[in-house]
Amino acid sequence: DQQVKQNSPSLSVQEGRISILNCDYTNSMFDYFLWYKKYPAEGPTFLISISSIKDKNEDGRFTVFLNKSAKHLSLHIVPSQPGDSAVYFCAARNYGGSQGNLIFGKGTKLSVKP
Amino acid sequence: ETGVTQSPTHLIKTRGQQVTLRCSSQSGHNTVSWYQQALGQGPQFIFQYYREEENGRGNFPPRFSGLQFPNYSSELNVNALELDDSALYLCASSLDLHGGYTFGSGTRLTVV
Repeated sequence: DQQVKQNSPSLSVQEGRISILNCDYTNSMFDYFLWYKKYPAEGPTFLISISSIKDKNEDGRFTVFLNKSAKHLSLHIVPSQPGDSAVYFCAARNYGGSQGNLIFGKGTKLSVKP
Repeated sequence: ETGVTQSPTHLIKTRGQQVTLRCSSQSGHNTVSWYQQALGQGPQFIFQYYREEENGRGNFPPRFSGLQFPNYSSELNVNALELDDSALYLCASSLDLHGGYTFGSGTRLTVV
């Protein structure tokens, strides 16, 4: 029923180590995936995205990996910093659709401890 | 500053009442989407407006309606409020349908 799943509600990581956030999806018609970060009392902010024709996209400390056969993507943050502590949402777009019409997962709360 | 402003930030309404939430987008952003985020859930797409016309709708009943104005502002109206309508309501705007979207900070609606 849930097309985008983030099965880990929370993750705790030590500062400087790698954070890996996972996301699974069920709809093979998704063609674009995005990660958003959300701090309390703020709206989600775009972090990084990946097209379904790629398997990796990198932006500074953030890398997203896509495994289409497994319908799985992951966000790697290296090195993790205390300011990365937030809720991270995985989102997907239907083929040819708008980035304004996204299907979100429930989010994973990341805590990076100093 | 995100450039997308939502008002009010918090609101308490009684079941059965009607509510209007407002969103002011960045200049030139002719596309706006509204999402509902219930506690512990991800944002859920309500509808999208492009150049003042509805351009897509999620699985929400007709008592959820919207308007988009030429001055890049928009409204979300909810009639006959139910307790389950309690949520954070987010708007997001973009220069066009396929560009990146900027979210506002949301309006926290509580229905009692």
